[in-house]
Amino acid sequence: NAGVTQTPKFRILKIGQSMTLQCAQDMNHNYMYWYRQDPGMGLKLIYYSVGAGITDKGEVPNGYNVSRSTTEDFPLRLELAAPSQTSVYFCASGATNEKLFFGSGTQLSVL
Amino acid sequence: GQQVMQIPQYQHVQEGEDFTTYCNSSTTLSNIQWYKQRPGGHPVFLIQLVKSGEVKKQKRLTFQFGEAKKNSSLHITATQTTDVGTYFCATEGSGGSNYKLTFGKGTLLTVNP
Repeated sequence: NAGVTQTPKFRILKIGQSMTLQCAQDMNHNYMYWYRQDPGMGLKLIYYSVGAGITDKGEVPNGYNVSRSTTEDFPLRLELAAPSQTSVYFCASGATNEKLFFGSGTQLSVL
Repeated sequence: GQQVMQIPQYQHVQEGEDFTTYCNSSTTLSNIQWYKQRPGGHPVFLIQLVKSGEVKKQKRLTFQFGEAKKNSSLHITATQTTDVGTYFCATEGSGGSNYKLTFGKGTLLTVNP
């Protein structure tokens, strides 16, 4: 049972490049989330999903896109990367009214 | 989603001292969760509180949910160096379903051995 798996762990992008952060969970959870965490700061919700085919914006969605074609996968897409998107990205999943399980994070630098 | 204010932002203690972090909201919360994040790690779930006035204990950690369900606290008795990390409270959006969980800014605890 792997839990929540995020790839890659580290990535450096140039301004204007695109990339997809992968997230997969094997716990059959309906809910999945993407958060970003800037140094010394809290977690800000980017996008979330309540089930396959359903996604919605969080607090800071600009510059990102998501899709949820299966229960297991919830990739986060960055288009036209900007330095302001330098952060640590966490994916999480959970069942109804229960705790969240977090992945180990992706450290992204945009230079 | 619900907005929660967490205080203090930082707390430095000597090993053996107690520590408390508070989470406050201007609106009634349906429930609240607490997470711990070790330096360089990811958040790990500690507890969920649902009932008004609820108190739960995990060894040296005591969690409380206010009577009005607008505030919560986490108290650590006799801190140890293993308690170092950032403690977050988290709460869900409206509707009573755990689908839009937003986090407080966290309290960073450092412990001097």
